[in-house]
Formats: sequence, C-alpha cells, structure tokens
Amino acid sequence: AQSVSQHNHHVILSEAASLELGCNYSYGGTVNLFWYVQYPGQHLQLLLKYFSGDPLVKGIKGFEAEFIKSKFSFNLRKPSVQWSDTAEHFCAVRPARDDKIIFGKGTRLHILP
Amino acid sequence: EAQVTQNPRYLITVTGKKLTVTCSQNMNHEYMSWYRQDPGLGLRQIYYSMNVEVTDKGDVPEGYKVSRKEKRNFPLILESPSPNQTSLYFCASSLKPPQRQVGSYEQYFGPGTRLTVT
Repeated sequence: AQSVSQHNHHVILSEAASLELGCNYSYGGTVNLFWYVQYPGQHLQLLLKYFSGDPLVKGIKGFEAEFIKSKFSFNLRKPSVQWSDTAEHFCAVRPARDDKIIFGKGTRLHILP
Repeated sequence: EAQVTQNPRYLITVTGKKLTVTCSQNMNHEYMSWYRQDPGLGLRQIYYSMNVEVTDKGDVPEGYKVSRKEKRNFPLILESPSPNQTSLYFCASSLKPPQRQVGSYEQYFGPGTRLTVT
C-alpha cells in the first residue's frame, strides 16, 4: 500500500537553528508532493508543492524542499527557524494515477525562544 | 474571500445519534475531501469527491457517508456515531487536475470540526 513516512515525530530547536524534516513515500510512479503546516489551533495551510521541473522548490516563510526521485524523498528545510515556526508539519503525496491524497503522520516542531 | 467553511466547529453528541457536519466552498472547486486528524496518526482521508454525484472512499470510510448534490457542498454524515469517531475533522477542496496527469492542485482546508461522541 502507498504510504508516507515522516521520520521525526517531535523536533525541538532553538531559534536560528537550521531545520530539516524528512519525508519518504512509497510509490514508484509520478507523484505530486506537498508540505502543509498547521499552527496551533488553526487549519492546514500549504507551505510548498512540487509537480515537475526544478526539484528544489521554495515556499512561503523561507521554507524550501528538495525532491530526490531516486530516494523517494521530499525533505523540508529552513536555514534559520523562528519561534513563530512552532507548528505541526505534514508531508503529503498524490500519485498522478490516483485521486487519493496520502498524508504522513506529521512532525511536531517546537522552537525555543 | 475564498474559503472553505465547516459547521459546526464543535459538537458533543451521544452514541447512535445521527449527525451531519456541513462543508461548503466558494471557489468553484471540483475536488472535495474529508479527513480526520488523530494524535499520532496524522490526517487520514475518509471520502473524497471528484465532482457532483461522484464520490469515492478514502482510507477510513467505515461509519461515514457523504453526498455531493451541489458543487459547493460536501456534507459528512455519521448515521450512528460511536466513541471511536471522536476526532478533529477537516474538509478540503481543490481544483481537479486533468485525469491521470501531473499537476495536482493544492488543497484548501476548512477550520475543522471537533467532534466528541460519548
């Protein structure tokens, strides 16, 4: 079955630290990839997405992600986190031949001021 | 303002009492979907709809029903709620990409409905 794995369930960092959240998926075909963020008490918002082309995509709030097809990965990065980045982050995959969307279990990011 | 709305936002009910959670979007999106969010399990897709009168099961459809009679509305129905359906529910919508092609559009999420079944 198709699945999305987020390796880190809970990450704690200090402000200005660099961030990398892992995301791997299990699907051999073409995929669309997303990272969503959920701030405390709020609904999900799109951080960035990948459809095709340049595998390094930039999103809002200084986030970026790199699609590495050979590794089935789409890791999220930010060079310098801020306290306001405290949130839960979800990786999601939509296989191009499917209409379902599969989410990872989420990574809870806590930034210490 | 483009948005997805859900009602109610909070609901406490008892086992077996039928309920409906409404979802409406004003963006003329074809694709709509329901998710439940549970601690440690992330978001799991319950049902989705590619267009009016077209619905399909997601990963956890048991105990739920949906309908899509109008493009803007996608209600979630729990005919006989049980305590294991206590959860946070999100509705989402997006444009529909050309079938079987790359170019999936991002989803816009509603504010969520927190349901407690006692």
